[in-house]
Amino acid sequence: AQSVTQLDSQVPVFEEAPVELRCNYSSSVSVYLFWYVQYPNQGLQLLLKYLSGSTLVKGINGFEAEFNKSQTSFHLRKPSVHISDTAEYFCAVSNFKAAGNKLTFGGGTRVLVKP
Amino acid sequence: GAGVSQTPSNKVTEKGKYVELRCDPISGHTALYWYRQSLGQGPEFLIYFQGTGAADDSGLPNDRFFAVRPEGSVSTLKIQRTERGDSAVYLCASSGPGTSGGNEQFFGPGTRLTVL
Repeated sequence: AQSVTQLDSQVPVFEEAPVELRCNYSSSVSVYLFWYVQYPNQGLQLLLKYLSGSTLVKGINGFEAEFNKSQTSFHLRKPSVHISDTAEYFCAVSNFKAAGNKLTFGGGTRVLVKP
Repeated sequence: GAGVSQTPSNKVTEKGKYVELRCDPISGHTALYWYRQSLGQGPEFLIYFQGTGAADDSGLPNDRFFAVRPEGSVSTLKIQRTERGDSAVYLCASSGPGTSGGNEQFFGPGTRLTVL
């Protein structure tokens, strides 16, 4: 079984400031890692994913995340946020070896970008 | 192309009633997933279909919940004797072809179910 913990439920940040959203996971097997974004009144959209290879993953809209196996973390960062980045962000994992790809999500981090 | 669609977008029902929620996946996607998102929480897995068969239904909370995908495309999530605790947004996602664990899941906008 896996679990995902997003350490911050809400993150207020000023426009053009950097932001980091923390994600830690627990699993007895190797996992794939994902970050999804949910804009107000919209469905979940994939920001980026880590499957293998380089531990620094770049995604859409200027976001990036770094996989740290020893710390079982997959923190999401953006060097300069825009008002349009106001949304809820979800970290998720799936079992590397399981058939299919059911996702286990964290509780989400709500980012509010202030002008 | 068209994304994942879900109908209805909102459903209000009374305690004890039966409801059906529909999901139209992206054409050609063999895998289909249902998740439930309660207020203030992340989505929770309910059931996964590969083709017509339910490959993993370990997330269904009890036997009031059932889902079908008879022709390997559209899926219906059925809830019998609804309870107030069933109120949530029900999300559908599809991915594929193939069964790679790294396949991106594409999510629909969800159906918001309110049980009065």
